[in-house]
Amino acid sequence: GQSLEQPSEVTAVEGAIVQINCTYQTSGFYGLSWYQQHDGGAPTFLSYNALDGLEETGRFSSFLSRSDSYGYLLLQELQMKDSASYFCATTKGSQGNLIFGKGTKLSVKP
Amino acid sequence: EAGVAQSPRYKIIEKRQSVAFWCNPISGHATLYWYQQILGQGPKLLIQFQNNGVVDDSQLPKDRFSAERLKGVDSTLKIQPAKLEDSAVYLCASSLGAGGTYEQYFGPGTRLTVT
Repeated sequence: GQSLEQPSEVTAVEGAIVQINCTYQTSGFYGLSWYQQHDGGAPTFLSYNALDGLEETGRFSSFLSRSDSYGYLLLQELQMKDSASYFCATTKGSQGNLIFGKGTKLSVKP
Repeated sequence: EAGVAQSPRYKIIEKRQSVAFWCNPISGHATLYWYQQILGQGPKLLIQFQNNGVVDDSQLPKDRFSAERLKGVDSTLKIQPAKLEDSAVYLCASSLGAGGTYEQYFGPGTRLTVT
């Protein structure tokens, strides 16, 4: 079966650091992706991890631990524009589709 | 580079009516996806095409939903007849290839309301 767990809501202040966790149960797991979606907007790709460890892209970093079936998205120097929903998504097999979690709604306060 | 185009952006229909959505992917993208996103949830894959062939339609309610990808480019998704629970945003996405390694580019979606 397939399941993903992530917090439904997170609130942080501008300039802070926030970590959004994702645990998964995916048979044939291949990789973990993160997508951002602003209200009324389309999901946009943030990162993809197939190997254990941390991947850094600007203010955003993503981590994967395959042995723990766990990953997280780390957002640094939060800005108001980072207020959005963040979805983790697993891939089953190298050619597999994305299976999305329910998303974490991040609210950044001044 | 033009993004993924979808139309219409909004559609309101009554239950038991039919509706069709259109998607034009990014040029050169072999893989095309249709997702259903219900409010407050993540996108759920309905169907995946590789060129003009279906790769995965395991979650497509085939008694009422159908999709095709003409000549491996544009795609249409049809619902007939619609039910109240079909109210959702229908997202089309495309990518160069299949699998998580390939970034999926999403269109703006079609918001469907079934009354």
